[in-house]
Order: sequence, then C-alpha cells, then structure tokens
Amino acid sequence: KNEVEQSPQNLTAQEGEFITINCSYSVGISALHWLQQHPGGGIVSLFMLSSGKKKHGRLIATINIQEKHSSLHITASHPRDSAVYICAVNSGGSNYKLTFGKGTLLTVNP
Amino acid sequence: DAGITQSPRHKVTETGTPVTLRCHQTENHRYMYWYRQDPGHGLRLIHYSYGVKDTDKGEVSDGYSVSRSKTEDFLLTLESATSSQTSVYFCAISVVGTYEQYFGPGTRLTVT
Repeated sequence: KNEVEQSPQNLTAQEGEFITINCSYSVGISALHWLQQHPGGGIVSLFMLSSGKKKHGRLIATINIQEKHSSLHITASHPRDSAVYICAVNSGGSNYKLTFGKGTLLTVNP
Repeated sequence: DAGITQSPRHKVTETGTPVTLRCHQTENHRYMYWYRQDPGHGLRLIHYSYGVKDTDKGEVSDGYSVSRSKTEDFLLTLESATSSQTSVYFCAISVVGTYEQYFGPGTRLTVT
C-alpha cells in the first residue's frame, strides 16, 4: 500500500463546479504539500501545510492531522484549472524528502 | 522557481550509452533531489544530496549514480541507459527549516 493515496485518480467537471480532491497518508508527517502540474509542464507548489486550512484565490487546502487526511478544493472551476494535482508529504527526518501520491488528473470542460 | 535549471531539457539516446543530466541552482541550497516521473507511478526519489560530496539513495536508485562536487550542481548519471529509464526527470531543492520544495523544469529522456 502506498504511503500516500489520492482520490479520485481522474476527475471531469464542468466549468463553475466545486471540486474536491482527497489525500490520505499512513505515516506521521511534518508537512503536506499540494502540487500542480499542467500537461507537459513543470511542477508548481500550491500549498504547504501542517495544520488547519490555507486559501489562495479559488483554491483551499485543509488538513486533519488526527485522521491523516487532506483535501484540496477548487471553487468556481475554470478550464485553466485542468492539470494533475499531486499530494506529497514530508514524513520527518532531517533530509526533507517527499513521498508522493500518484496524482489526480482534473479536466474542466467549458 | 528558486533559480533551478536542468540540462538538457530533452534527450534521445540509445540503449547502452551513458547519459548525464545536470541540475543547477543559484541560491546555495543544501538539499537537492533527483526524481523520476512515470505514468502509474507518480514521482519517485532516485537520489538526494545533503551537501557537497554527501549523497544518499532513494527508492529507485538502481542503475543511477550521482555526484555533487559544487553546491550549485547535482549530476545524475545513467552509466548504461536502458529502455526502462525512459522517463521525465525532475530536480528539486528544499529550503532548510521550512519544508518548502521547489522543482526544476524537468528533462524528458527517451532511451531507444
């Protein structure tokens, strides 16, 4: 079993819909990251969080440490949000290594 | 982007040939990483470095070696490339004390 599990693997939405992507992890963590990768593109950090909730524009990330679960929400989705969203965790230690989920491919249709 | 560049950005090579990928950073970060990204597997750690001449293996290190003779450069070498090493390779750095991690633009390697 992967240490970081994401769901769903694929998600198709209509423009304007509210989107939720989930991430569950099985290890203790120091931080959880949400990353975005557009097709053929580089990897961009959206959020890094260790507790609570963060918001940036239409994107909201939450984490529940006790339940080992995080969610990424996108409000009023837009076709430009179409990308792969990747959850990753730092599971402690001094090397800052990340363990990644396999990603969620989001397609937002106009 | 923390001043991370990768070279080359694209490479096609034949099975059995040696290949070296370069990651260069301009901000003196101590920790650097090489990941590979493959469909169905996501990103996986190949090797990482925690200082000049200090490196360690990741989860998929077989067939790869690394070197770091200067803070700014982290080299990944495939001694004898195989088709299973066809992948997109990303370099990354960590900001010590913050857990922030930044990625380079990636290198697409095809081994024929």
